Amino acid sequence: QVQLVESGGGVVQPGRSLRLSCAASGFTFSSYGMHWVRQAPGKGLEWVTFISYDGINKYYVDSVKGRFTISRDNSKNTFYVQMNSLRPEDTAVYYCAKDSSGSQIPVGGVDVWGQGTTVTVSS
Amino acid sequence: SHVLTQPPSVSVAPGKTARITCGGSNIGTKSVHWYQQQPGQAPVLVIYYDSDRPSGIPERISGSNSGNTATLTISRVEAGDEADYYCQVWDSFTDHVVFGGGTKLTVL
Repeated sequence: QVQLVESGGGVVQPGRSLRLSCAASGFTFSSYGMHWVRQAPGKGLEWVTFISYDGINKYYVDSVKGRFTISRDNSKNTFYVQMNSLRPEDTAVYYCAKDSSGSQIPVGGVDVWGQGTTVTVSS
Repeated sequence: SHVLTQPPSVSVAPGKTARITCGGSNIGTKSVHWYQQQPGQAPVLVIYYDSDRPSGIPERISGSNSGNTATLTISRVEAGDEADYYCQVWDSFTDHVVFGGGTKLTVL
């Protein structure tokens, strides 16, 4: 079945780094763009970043530009987000997710979500 | 970024119809997607491209989009529909995915 499994979350001090991974299965990973979406405790959904199916197009929410980097390895059916210079406001559950369109831009809605991994930034 | 405005809460009696709005400037020119999120769970796509339903989503859930407002309609509301609902668009002007603030649907 179609599945996304995140890993790499944890507790980290402000200013430190963390890399989240998302392993995909059950669909042709190399044909779809992928997202990271986060949700701070008690808050709504916030889109973080998107990477196109071929890794060429990458987009970021303004609050993480220059600090977070999204990447993918289609040979491993896995994509990542490298999070540097972490701040307390980055504390959230991070979901990896699949865009429903096979487009270079995320126009299709998110049709598959992982279970989420928690990132806590605290001293 | 494009701002999407949702009411924080909507309440409806079982068996009645719930309508959740998502307001945005000329949102009718964009494709709107809707998600349902139960407490402690990942979101689920319930409507995409304004009014299409993914497989497994019941026909009593529908969507529309025109002018400055998109609407998610849930007919014959059941207790299991109680959840948070989010609208979402792709803003091609800023190259950002944007979510609305979310609406908590309470079944009375």
